[in-house]
Amino acid sequence: AQSVTQLDSQVPVFEEAPVELRCNYSSSVSVYLFWYVQYPNQGLQLLLKYLSGSTLVKGINGFEAEFNKSQTSFHLRKPSVHISDTAEYFCAVSGQGAQKLVFGQGTRLTINP
Amino acid sequence: EAGVTQSPTHLIKTRGQQATLRCSPISGHTSVYWYQQALGLGLQFLLWYDEGEERNRGNFPPRFSGRQFPNYSSELNVNALELEDSALYLCASNVWGFEAFFGQGTRLTVV
Repeated sequence: AQSVTQLDSQVPVFEEAPVELRCNYSSSVSVYLFWYVQYPNQGLQLLLKYLSGSTLVKGINGFEAEFNKSQTSFHLRKPSVHISDTAEYFCAVSGQGAQKLVFGQGTRLTINP
Repeated sequence: EAGVTQSPTHLIKTRGQQATLRCSPISGHTSVYWYQQALGLGLQFLLWYDEGEERNRGNFPPRFSGRQFPNYSSELNVNALELEDSALYLCASNVWGFEAFFGQGTRLTVV
């Protein structure tokens, strides 16, 4: 069975600073990995995904993530954050075929001016 | 292409009543997930349906139930509503483990 651990429940950063949101997973099958973002009072939208191929994945809004199989991690990064990046970020894992999609508990990113 | 649609958008019920929430997945998606998001909390997994069958349920009491119809749409029922059931209920759909797409949610308020 898959599981996801987001190592930080809250991450405060200053505007224009870099940020990394950490995600570790466990799975007994080949994984698909995802990052979602939830802005206040909205549903979740997909930021980026890893299905196969290049381990560095680029997403929307300047975010990227790197799949590290040996460390079972899929950390999300952005070199320079903006106030509008303030949101809750969720890491998720599933597997090939009809595998359950499992979410982490979320990381609240707060951008300070 | 239409996204995941949930209805109603808002629902107000009194304690002890029953609530029914509906979800229409993206065309071609066979899996539907239900999540509860209470204020200040993360996503709490409720139910997973795939190909018409319940595949997994989260740590919720039996008064939370649902079903998936032959057209893959889904219904979540909450019986004997309690105040703490007030939350945003999110539905998501996917197929073959690929990325899930979320609806905008149903805001359930129990008074």
